[in-house]
Amino acid sequence: DAKTTQPPSMDCAEGRAANLPCNHSTISGNEYVYWYRQIHSQGPQYIIHGLKNNETNEMASLIITEDRKSSTLILPHATLRDTAVYYCIVTLSGSARQLTFGSGTQLTVLP
Amino acid sequence: NAGVMQNPRHLVRRRGQEARLRCSPMKGHSHVYWYRQLPEEGLKFMVYLQKENIIDESGMPKERFSAEFPKEGPSILRIQQVVRGDSAAYFCASSPGGQDYEQYFGPGTRLTVT
Repeated sequence: DAKTTQPPSMDCAEGRAANLPCNHSTISGNEYVYWYRQIHSQGPQYIIHGLKNNETNEMASLIITEDRKSSTLILPHATLRDTAVYYCIVTLSGSARQLTFGSGTQLTVLP
Repeated sequence: NAGVMQNPRHLVRRRGQEARLRCSPMKGHSHVYWYRQLPEEGLKFMVYLQKENIIDESGMPKERFSAEFPKEGPSILRIQQVVRGDSAAYFCASSPGGQDYEQYFGPGTRLTVT
């Protein structure tokens, strides 16, 4: 699996968009980008994933650059409950393989 | 549809005892994964199972740890002769299998070895 690089921490004002970057310059053509988050020692929560195209669901949007070497997770209207560690994971398949969690980004949403 | 269930949520064992952690996957999910999170560290993959089969145990310690996912009933992670270094949060995840499916995690079991 490709290695990912994320900033260790970020702050965001409540109600504003939170943009979390992830670099994965060694990603291969058939690897997906997955995002999970872990809220204060709870079980990780799946957010979104994509292969090439940008994706959007009820939680977030995922923007993948054309060369696929980086991506951005966007939480459009951050709330205090979005304070968590966010993990960007690159893997051949999110299901039929182990997930390798790095250090992630500690997002703190400020009131 | 109930999520992934783990029990117990908290488990205290003395050194040398056995710990059994149970995981019931989401309904319709046939794939189970176990991860461990040591204090102040990230989650580490331990083992991946399908019904009655261990698919990948590359993250399991070589000794004292075992896992099973029987045809009926929950998946069990068993730790024999626990030591203080086994104190951690153990998370189970499940998925329906196949390509391009996300894993859904349970709330975890926090094991404390005294």
